[in-house]
Amino acid sequence: EAEWLESGGGLVQPGESLRLSCKFSGFHFNVNAMSWVRQAPGKGLEWVSSITNDGYGTHYAEPVRGRFTISRDNSKDIVYLQMSSLRVEDTAIYYCGKDVGATNGWVDSWGQGTLVTVSS
Amino acid sequence: DIILTQSPDSLAVSLGERATINCKSSQRVSSTNMNYLAWYQQKPGQPPKLLLYWASTRESGVPDRFSGSGAGTDFTLTINSLQAEDVAVYYCQQYYDVIRTFGQGTRVDIK
Repeated sequence: EAEWLESGGGLVQPGESLRLSCKFSGFHFNVNAMSWVRQAPGKGLEWVSSITNDGYGTHYAEPVRGRFTISRDNSKDIVYLQMSSLRVEDTAIYYCGKDVGATNGWVDSWGQGTLVTVSS
Repeated sequence: DIILTQSPDSLAVSLGERATINCKSSQRVSSTNMNYLAWYQQKPGQPPKLLLYWASTRESGVPDRFSGSGAGTDFTLTINSLQAEDVAVYYCQQYYDVIRTFGQGTRVDIK
């Protein structure tokens, strides 16, 4: 069974940067695409970004495009989300998830989430 | 981006009764008989849980009282014989486009 260790969340000021990490175990990491989804307090789910299994394909939701960068290190079984120029509206729980396939698809299992708070 | 609109925003159903949630897409999310839509359940303080994919295929371990239907732009999640543990928020999500999107969610409570 897949297990995750998410880290990197915290309190930052607007304009600052933060890098989230999500380390997986229990499956062949380099087979699956990976995704990040966020949930602002009291709000619904918002897809943020996905990366193909080989790391060459990346996609972003419009609100984060140009500010966030998703990447992965298949030798370490880790997926990252580098967040720059953070805004108050980026405040959310960020969940990493394992896609079913190598490219675009659905997430079949999720981490427990890490909280990012952007506030002055 | 593809917009998914769920209805209703919330509903209350008696135990043992049926709950029906609709998900309407701003454009077709179906191609060659494949429907690129998933349904998730989220309980308070927990990450989402996958229920269905390809609009109607149940994830392993999901009770058969959960079913999905639809094609093109209109999809439905049905919970037959609602149980107390089904109280949650339900989301549809399309993966037809690489820019994936969720519906706004539908809260299901017990009447």
